[in-house]
Amino acid sequence: AQSVTQLDSQVPVFEEAPVELRCNYSSSVSVYLFWYVQYPNQGLQLLLKYLSGSTLVKGINGFEAEFNKSQTSFHLRKPSVHISDTAEYFCAVSLQGAQKLVFGQGTRLTINP
Amino acid sequence: GAGVSQSPSNKVTEKGKDVELRCDPISGHTALYWYRQSLGQGLEFLIYFQGNSAPDKSGLPSDRFSAERTGGSVSTLTIQRTQQEDSAVYLCASSLTNTEAFFGQGTRLTVV
Repeated sequence: AQSVTQLDSQVPVFEEAPVELRCNYSSSVSVYLFWYVQYPNQGLQLLLKYLSGSTLVKGINGFEAEFNKSQTSFHLRKPSVHISDTAEYFCAVSLQGAQKLVFGQGTRLTINP
Repeated sequence: GAGVSQSPSNKVTEKGKDVELRCDPISGHTALYWYRQSLGQGLEFLIYFQGNSAPDKSGLPSDRFSAERTGGSVSTLTIQRTQQEDSAVYLCASSLTNTEAFFGQGTRLTVV
């Protein structure tokens, strides 16, 4: 079965600094990969997804992620963060041909002025 | 509405009582999921419905938990004889394909 590990439970950064949120997955078959964001007291919103093709995926709000098959990683990056990026970020994986999303534990991103 | 709707948004119940949580998926979406989000625990998969297929119940934590989806649309998650460890946010999501799931705002359940 597939699993997802988010290596950092909390990431504090200063405003306008770059950030990387790490995600590794394990699966013996091909997968789809997702990053979701959850703002305080809200549901989850899709940031970006990797289905196939280019390994560099661009999403909303200036975020991007790179799929690395050899390292089974899908790290999320943003070159310059804003206060409004403060939220919890979840990495998720589903098997191609299946629909059950398996989530990581989440990373709480805190932006300090 | 255009999105996934969950009700109630908040529910406080006494230990031992039964509760029902409702999810209205996006119209036309064939897949529906329930997840549980506990503090510091991430998102825990509970159950998944796909069209007329038998649901994937592999994530239900005990036989006190059950869910149904009537007419391929609305779903109800029922928790019987609630316990304090059931306190969490219960999230519902729906999808048309396996390439994106849309989430509701969740129901915050507090068992006192």
